[in-house]
This record gives sequence, C-alpha cells and structure tokens, in this order.
Amino acid sequence: GDQVEQSPSALSLHEGTGSALRCNFTTTMRAVQWFRKNSRGSLINLFYLASGTKENGRLKSAFDSKERYSTLHIRDAQLEDSGTYFCAAEAFSGSWQLIFGSGTQLTVMP
Amino acid sequence: EAGVTQSPRYAVLQEGQAVSFWCDPISGHDTLYWYQQPRDQGPQLLVYFRDEAVIDNSQLPSDRFSAVRPKGTNSTLKIQSAKQGDTATYLCASSFSNNQDTQYFGPGTRLLVL
Repeated sequence: GDQVEQSPSALSLHEGTGSALRCNFTTTMRAVQWFRKNSRGSLINLFYLASGTKENGRLKSAFDSKERYSTLHIRDAQLEDSGTYFCAAEAFSGSWQLIFGSGTQLTVMP
Repeated sequence: EAGVTQSPRYAVLQEGQAVSFWCDPISGHDTLYWYQQPRDQGPQLLVYFRDEAVIDNSQLPSDRFSAVRPKGTNSTLKIQSAKQGDTATYLCASSFSNNQDTQYFGPGTRLLVL
C-alpha cells in the first residue's frame, strides 16, 4: 500500500485565511521534504525536516517521526500561493528513497 | 548558483520510438535521481546514482529504460521503445550526500507517447 498518504487532495482558501496540509506515513520515516510546484512545473523546495518544526514566512512545517505524520501550515494565504504541494518522506526500501504523496491542489481565491 | 537543468522540455513520440532525456545536476552534487511523474500523481523514483555508480535501479523497467552517468556529472535517461503508458513528466533531481540529502529538482521533461 501507499506509504505516504497526503490530504486533502484539493483545498480552496480565501485570501488572508489559513489551513493545514497533512501527510501520514505507514512506517517510520527518516525525514520529510515539502515542495510546491511552480507555474513552470518545477518542484520548489519549501522545507526539509528530520524532526521538529521549521517556519519560513507564512509557512510552517512540523514532522513527528514517532507519530508518523508531517504537516504544512499556511497562514494569511495569498493568490500566489496557489499551486500543487507535495510532501515526500525518506524511507528505506533497499536504499534510502523519497516517497512522495499524491499532492494537494491549493486554490487561493480573492 | 545554477539549478538542475534538463532537456528537452517536451517530447512527443509514436509508440515504438526511442527518446533520450538529459540532466545536468547542480555543480558539486554527487547524487543524481531520475523520477517519473504520471499526470496527477507524485513523482516515483526510477533510478539514482552516487557519482557514476548506480545505487538503486530496482524500479527502472530494465527491458526498455536505461540510465547512465559515466563521469559522475551529467546523466542520460533513455527509453528504447516507448509505450503509451510511459506518458509522464520525467524529473531529474540532485543532492549532496551529507546528513541532509535535500533534493533539488529540475523543470522536467514532459513526454507524450501517442
């Protein structure tokens, strides 16, 4: 089965509001990365976490390997935050690999 | 610092044709990854290298796909006889193998097999 379950698959927010994306893991992961797909289709690094929390501007991420989840919080959403967000966790499957979630399509509305 | 570059950006093929994708990683990054991303899914690892050595190619369909990184820098991914099911975006990423293997992705090659 899927090792990384990302939710929600789609999310709509009004400008200025906030919400959270979540990834649950079926096994212990070494670290997690969060990405956003930009308008050109490139995956842009948002965070790398081996534990704890990190914050960057209006984004904050947390990773709890013991409880097997990671979250990405967006506050004061802006129109330019729209896009697809992916979490990816480091799992051992013969070698250490990034296992991606299926993505969250975020739409920020005026 | 230049990011990961890939070419071509787009490719359209008929079934049975061959295609090669090229990747230039970030300078100094010893690890290079190739991913396949079908539409509306997350990327899935195909193969990765540390320097010129293949570390894991267990998810690379070896009958039609091949990947090389002969000098431990640039890499080429080749599909020998494309099938419609190969339609996807092919992403290259690179990282430096210290304790924090943060991967940096290129823009990808969007492949359509008709």
